[in-house]
Amino acid sequence: EDQVTQSPEALRLQEGESSSLNCSYTVSGLRGLFWYRQDPGKGPEFLFTLYSAGEEKEKERLKATLTKKESFLHITAPKPEDSATYLCAVRVLTGGGNKLTFGTGTQLKVEL
Amino acid sequence: DVKVTQSSRYLVKRTGEKVFLECVQDMDHENMFWYRQDPGLGLRLIYFSYDVKMKEKGDIPEGYSVSREKKERFSLILESASTNQTSMYLCASRRTSSHGEQYFGPGTRLTVT
Repeated sequence: EDQVTQSPEALRLQEGESSSLNCSYTVSGLRGLFWYRQDPGKGPEFLFTLYSAGEEKEKERLKATLTKKESFLHITAPKPEDSATYLCAVRVLTGGGNKLTFGTGTQLKVEL
Repeated sequence: DVKVTQSSRYLVKRTGEKVFLECVQDMDHENMFWYRQDPGLGLRLIYFSYDVKMKEKGDIPEGYSVSREKKERFSLILESASTNQTSMYLCASRRTSSHGEQYFGPGTRLTVT
């Protein structure tokens, strides 16, 4: 069974305090790993797609990396506006189609 | 920019009522999806559609049905709402099956009393 596990469940940082969020996965036939940001009461907002081990993507203070078993979302010098829940999802091929399997997210709070 | 809209942000219905949740996307995407999101369980796929008039069951289809008569519109139907269907419902679209990323609407918070 495909599984996606995110850690930690919650993270509190001071403004400027860099850290990383983890997404580990056990799937058969990975066809992409996705990171989303979700603000309270809103739908997830797409951030990155990673396809192969060693790949990296960056956007402002965020950098996503991928290995064969996990992905990291590095947050450099975070600001309060980076506070959100970060979701990762994996795309696997299921007979005739494909879908995303989501982790339960890491709730990030950045304080002044 | 991809825009996915959902008919209601908040909805309160009574047990046994038939409930329609509407989703519209404006980017000519082929694929559309319905998820529900519950604390501690994450997003779970209810149904998806590859194209007009096509539908596939997701992981938790029981108690739900869908309709896709036009490419831009995907409806989720709760035939007889129950309290365990109280949840946040999220619609998403994707350009084609060859693309991975899905784009989400703002969500509908449904409460069944």
